[in-house]
Amino acid sequence: GAGVSQSPSNKVTEKGKDVELRCDPISGHTALYWYRQSLGQGLEFLIYFQGNSAPDKSGLPSDRFSAERTGGSVSTLTIQRTQQEDSAVYLCASSEHRGGIAEAFFGQGTRLTVV
Amino acid sequence: GQQVMQIPQYQHVQEGEDFTTYCNSSTTLSNIQWYKQRPGGHPVFLIQLVKSGEVKKQKRLTFQFGEAKKNSSLHITATQTTDVGTYFCAGKPNAGKSTFGDGTTLTVKP
Repeated sequence: GAGVSQSPSNKVTEKGKDVELRCDPISGHTALYWYRQSLGQGLEFLIYFQGNSAPDKSGLPSDRFSAERTGGSVSTLTIQRTQQEDSAVYLCASSEHRGGIAEAFFGQGTRLTVV
Repeated sequence: GQQVMQIPQYQHVQEGEDFTTYCNSSTTLSNIQWYKQRPGGHPVFLIQLVKSGEVKKQKRLTFQFGEAKKNSSLHITATQTTDVGTYFCAGKPNAGKSTFGDGTTLTVKP
């Protein structure tokens, strides 16, 4: 596609339910990042995929969070037993080194609200 | 692990005044990138700096990369209301992932 696509754009869920957020990166981009952004705050790193390497999961806040990237393309971020503090915008970004530039392209984000 | 500190967190200026945000990394960087996030939007790439001491300009924006490749700055001359948003730096070491600073949120009073 033309850009990074995330779905759903908005998700309201009840506390305790599981949610899955999807990211379709730009075709051919080997690097994929997930970030979380609370209102008016910075970008909180969650997880990083680079090619076939083991993902860098150092940013995942708890074992309720997990992510996978199938076939080096689409990624899903799963949050189990959601809590109210999980409410935030979840941003996905992909990048590829071209001509020495590794610009990260961000999706529009998924706004998660846990009620 | 690598840390990227960005200051100030907030900056309020009168339209026409200058603005600068600073980014400092705990480790030497391979490159540093700058992004702008408009209110309600997502971060959008502005520029990448690679060389020690590099200076790049985009109209009223001037980007600098320190000689030691551990710090960077973004300077906006004569701010306009269209400059409002949060400016993030992202530092990438030779190996591993980029790390974003916490951003500087700029508000411009007309």
